[in-house]
Amino acid sequence: AQSVTQLGSHVSVSEGALVLLRCNYSSSVPPYLFWYVQYPNQGLQLLLKYTTGATLVKGINGFEAEFKKSETSFHLTKPSAHMSDAAEYFCAVSVSASGGSYIPTFGRGTSLIVHP
Amino acid sequence: GAVVSQHPSRVICKSGTSVKIECRSLDFQATTMFWYRQFPKQSLMLMATSNEGSKATYEQGVEKDKFLINHASLTLSTLTVTSAHPEDSSFYICSARAGGLDQPQHFGDGTRLSIL
Repeated sequence: AQSVTQLGSHVSVSEGALVLLRCNYSSSVPPYLFWYVQYPNQGLQLLLKYTTGATLVKGINGFEAEFKKSETSFHLTKPSAHMSDAAEYFCAVSVSASGGSYIPTFGRGTSLIVHP
Repeated sequence: GAVVSQHPSRVICKSGTSVKIECRSLDFQATTMFWYRQFPKQSLMLMATSNEGSKATYEQGVEKDKFLINHASLTLSTLTVTSAHPEDSSFYICSARAGGLDQPQHFGDGTRLSIL
């Protein structure tokens, strides 16, 4: 079974600083990996995804993530934080299961706090 | 593109009432829809997965008779919380997915359910 671990329930950065949100996964088969962002009282919005091909994936709002198979990681980064980036971020993994079905698995989430 | 509409956004009702939440994919056909429950400051808990025209698959510990899910068409799924009690108060989020396993989920904006 697959699992997702997001290190750090809270990450605090200053405006303009580098953002790094960590995500590690476990899966016995090649995974599909996703990052979502959730603003207060809203659903989740897709930031980016990795399926196959280039391991460095660029998403919306200046975010990017790199799939590192050897480290089983898919960390999310942004060179310069904006106040508007303050939100909850979820890493998710999905793998193909028998019968063609799958159950997506979400990490516990990381709350990004941006200080002026 | 890929908009999911969830309605209502907020419900406040008395204990014992049944509440229906709708989830619609507005501009795509959703082969699979997911229903989640989210507690404050926590990740999403998958309640059930539904495919159009078939019975929903419930996660362990989720009462089928309590949380009725209907996926009548490729664009509509409903969750009915029957005889709701205060412990059912939560944030419920639906998502929809079209196509293959590498496709992301598209989320509704959630429903805040408060049972008095």
